[in-house]
Amino acid sequence: EPEVTQTPSHQVTQMGQEVILRCVPISNHLYFYWYRQILGQKVEFLVSFYNNEISEKSEIFDDQFSVERPDGSNFTLKIRSTKLEDSAMYFCASRGEGENSPLHFGNGTRLTVT
Amino acid sequence: GNSVTQMEGPVTLSEEAFLTINCTYTATGYPSLFWYVQYPGEGLQLLLKATKADDKGSNKGFEATYRKETTSFHLEKGSVQVSDSAVYFCALLRRSQGNLIFGKGTKLSVKP
Repeated sequence: EPEVTQTPSHQVTQMGQEVILRCVPISNHLYFYWYRQILGQKVEFLVSFYNNEISEKSEIFDDQFSVERPDGSNFTLKIRSTKLEDSAMYFCASRGEGENSPLHFGNGTRLTVT
Repeated sequence: GNSVTQMEGPVTLSEEAFLTINCTYTATGYPSLFWYVQYPGEGLQLLLKATKADDKGSNKGFEATYRKETTSFHLEKGSVQVSDSAVYFCALLRRSQGNLIFGKGTKLSVKP
């Protein structure tokens, strides 16, 4: 069964550094998402992406965040200047056509900001 | 606004016990409803879904029925196993935007 893959599985960075989290969605999917889960807390929506543009973003997704689909297969989340509170598990997801089609999630990247 | 409320965990059960995890939602329109499961150290996996009122989603012995009148989507399993130990998330899909809104998750621990 096709799956969403994320790399790296764990990223450690210093406060103020830029990080790029990478995702390869399922190949025929058209809608892409980033979510995050701070340890022990709920899964929070960050951003959705369709047709090469952001379709919706949450309050969390401020100017420090950006997304890109650089080459038709990868979908990246960039944090320009990381803060301690950005430490979380970041999940990428994708889904196909059809308003009821479910989101398929990757295994996540654990980001630790020191 | 749209939101999902799940029962607080953790829930600890003995093997073969009956499981219920309550989930209620608030939504405009008619969302699709999902249960996702997160096993230790892993990502989110779709467990089951229901797309309209009175639909029953089922998978791996788990069931949930979309109840519009009570705005609920409670997860049930008749006989849990140790391997069911995980965090369970109820979620609704906003059709207009296509993104999921999650509940806080309920941690289930099943003891042999």
